[in-house]
Amino acid sequence: NAGVTQTPKFRVLKTGQSMTLLCAQDMNHEYMYWYRQDPGMGLRLIHYSVGEGTTAKGEVPDGYNVSRLKKQNFLLGLESAAPSQTSVYFCASSYSSGSNQPQHFGDGTRLSIL
Amino acid sequence: GQQVMQIPQYQHVQEGEDFTTYCNSSTTLSNIQWYKQRPGGHPVFLIQLVKSGEVKKQKRLTFQFGEAKKNSSLHITATQTTDVGTYFCASGTGGFKTIFGAGTRLFVKA
Repeated sequence: NAGVTQTPKFRVLKTGQSMTLLCAQDMNHEYMYWYRQDPGMGLRLIHYSVGEGTTAKGEVPDGYNVSRLKKQNFLLGLESAAPSQTSVYFCASSYSSGSNQPQHFGDGTRLSIL
Repeated sequence: GQQVMQIPQYQHVQEGEDFTTYCNSSTTLSNIQWYKQRPGGHPVFLIQLVKSGEVKKQKRLTFQFGEAKKNSSLHITATQTTDVGTYFCASGTGGFKTIFGAGTRLFVKA
């Protein structure tokens, strides 16, 4: 079982460049999430989705956009990367009713913005 | 918004010593989840507590949910080097989102 797969695993960008982080899950989960993890700050929710075609803002949505065109995929976009977006990004999914179900995480994408 | 405060931020122990991390909230939590993240890895779900005063055990790990559902603890008995990592508590808000604490990083010296 692949579970939650994130691509790429590592990326270095220059300020102002754009990119898309891909997340795919094969567990037929309804809920999907994007988090960023910075030292000493735990996991902060960027955006989430409660089903195909739906997205919503989390704690720190500024500078990011997302799309959920297919149930199994959740994409995170950076339109104009900034050094403050240097972080480790985790995608997660859960079966239903987000906060009452365990979340399954991908391996993360380590992103550096120069 | 709702927050969960986790202490301590770091803990260094000698192998064989016990370890406890605490999670506190100013508001009542619908549930509490605990995750473990190994260095360089991703968070992995350990357990969920739902009931007031609930206690659950997984081998050397004991998880407790406070009577008022505002705090929780994770206790590891006789730590081993395999316990190294960061332990996160996460609270359910009753809605779609889960709020994570900042985590307690455990270092175990052999």
